[in-house]
Amino acid sequence: DAGVTQSPTHLIKTRGQQVTLRCSPISGHKSVSWYQQVLGQGPQFIFQYYEKEERGRGNFPDRFSARQFPNYSSELNVNALLLGDSALYLCASSLGESRWRETQYFGPGTRLLVL
Amino acid sequence: AQRVTQPEKLLSVFKGAPVELKCNYSYSGSPELFWYVQYSRQRLQLLLRHISRESIKGFTADLNKGETSFHLKKPFAQEEDSAMYYCALSPTGGGNKLTFGTGTQLKVEL
Repeated sequence: DAGVTQSPTHLIKTRGQQVTLRCSPISGHKSVSWYQQVLGQGPQFIFQYYEKEERGRGNFPDRFSARQFPNYSSELNVNALLLGDSALYLCASSLGESRWRETQYFGPGTRLLVL
Repeated sequence: AQRVTQPEKLLSVFKGAPVELKCNYSYSGSPELFWYVQYSRQRLQLLLRHISRESIKGFTADLNKGETSFHLKKPFAQEEDSAMYYCALSPTGGGNKLTFGTGTQLKVEL
């Protein structure tokens, strides 16, 4: 198993544009979480999805949205990009039910640069 | 709201010396605490979690609820321990939401 995969690896956008980031979880994992990591900081929680339903949301504006598909892959969308959205976006997958604080396995991330 | 504090951005030790990476948290309930590690050019991975009470790669961490700390320790540092270490907290009933500290870069010198 290749582990959690994310695409693209790098992305450059300009202010005001929209971006979609993609994540494929480990086979058999049903939960996907998204994190934003700004340079010099730890990852910050954005969303968690389990069985295609949102199970948690961090302190991010409505410009950020996500969804999970029947095959458990996920997309993170960011609208009206700002310079401050420049960061490494991490996806993490875990096996099952959200209440059990499952071990999360992280992908390599997508590095987004907003100019 | 929960918070995780890692006071040291960089910790430099000599090979064979003891290592202690500090982590303090702020949370009123019963959290679960984790240490994640990121080696150079690798993805973030779980090192250990307090509920497992394991020793991984010689590292241990004890949850001290009185001091709200979860320091990571290793008696003898190895060169391969050089990496970025993140302490993280998951709140009660918080599912998979992790709150991370800002990380400590450990550098083990020969």
